[in-house]
This record gives sequence, structure tokens and C-alpha cells, in this order.
Amino acid sequence: GAVVSQHPSWVICKSGTSVKIECRSLDFQATTMFWYRQFPKQSLMLMATSNEGSKATYEQGVEKDKFLINHASLTLSTLTVTSAHPEDSSFYICSAPGGSAGSPLHFGNGTRLTVT
Amino acid sequence: GNSVTQMEGPVTLSEEAFLTINCTYTATGYPSLFWYVQYPGEGLQLLLKATKADDKGSNKGFEATYRKETTSFHLEKGSVQVSDSAVYFCALSGRNQGGKLIFGQGTELSVKP
Repeated sequence: GAVVSQHPSWVICKSGTSVKIECRSLDFQATTMFWYRQFPKQSLMLMATSNEGSKATYEQGVEKDKFLINHASLTLSTLTVTSAHPEDSSFYICSAPGGSAGSPLHFGNGTRLTVT
Repeated sequence: GNSVTQMEGPVTLSEEAFLTINCTYTATGYPSLFWYVQYPGEGLQLLLKATKADDKGSNKGFEATYRKETTSFHLEKGSVQVSDSAVYFCALSGRNQGGKLIFGQGTELSVKP
């Protein structure tokens, strides 16, 4: 079945540095990918929609300059957290619609970001 | 706008007990409805789905029926196991939304031996 691979699974970085998270669709093409953020014991909040070949669409309240999204190819989207701060510590999850019409979203295993 | 409301957790049950996790939704048109499960430290896995009214999704002993009249999609399982301990998310995807999901707040289930 359709698989989404997310890397790294966890990362620890210092305040002020940038962190890149990759999301790949392994056996299907994804013109669209979604990036979610999940705080401990809370639900997933959609941050942005990544669009291959065009700019990402950000949800209200999400800083575009802080969370840079690049959909470089039909199988790869990246989220870069720039100038990270401790409040950016969270669980970031990407997802992509399956390869066929009407198929559900497939999720990566998430990235646990800790900013010290 | 579209939204999903789930019963609050945590829900604690003994093994072999009956499970119900309530989920109601608000949406324009006819959304697709999903239940996702998240095991500790992992991403989300699709548990089951229903795409139209009166559809019943089922998987691994879990069931949920798309009830348009009550705008509900309650998750049920007749006999839970310790391995079912996880967080369960109800979600909807509106028509022409490109697969974008709106999630409920999640319900943590803990099953004791």
C-alpha cells in the first residue's frame, strides 16, 4: 500500500538554529502534501498545504517565514523550522493523499522536535 | 466551517469490555469520515472510513456507522484488548478539499489486563 516516509523521526537542536524535516511518498506521486503539528495530548492542527510546483498554502496564524515549505518534486516535501525556539518543540507530521481518487491520507510517522 | 467533536478522554477499560468513543461533526455537504489511531510515539494509521450516509466502516473488530441524521460517526468495539491502548482520532474530509483532514481532539484509550 501507499507509504509516506518522514525523516528524521526525532531531532534535538539549539535555539536559533534551523531544522529540516523531509516527507517522501515512497510508491506514489503526491502533488499535494499536508503538514500537521501536534502538541502533547492534543489533536493535529493543519499548518500548511504543500503544493508541487507552486507556493505552499498556510493556515491562519502560521508564520510563513518561520515554517518554510518546499515541494521539490512529486515525491518530496520539506518543512524547515527556521530560527527555532523552545516553543517550536512539538511533533510534526506530514501526510499525502493516496495515489488514487478517493483514497485516504497516508501519514508519516512524525518528527519529534525538541529545541533547547 | 467544518469541525469534529469527540468525547474527552482518557477512557480506561478492562480487557474484553465494550468500547464506544463518540464523534459528531459539523460540515457543509457530505464529507467523508475517518477514524485514525495513534500508538505511543508513532504517527497516525487509518483505522476505518465511510464515505456516504449509512456506510459502515470496519477493521480489526472496530466499527463506525456514518449517521447523517445525527451527524455522528461513533467508534465501537465489542471486546477490547490491551493492544488497543492508543489515541483515537475522528476526522472528516470535505468534498473538493483535496484530502485535507479536520481532526477531533483525540480520545486516549487505556485498556487494563
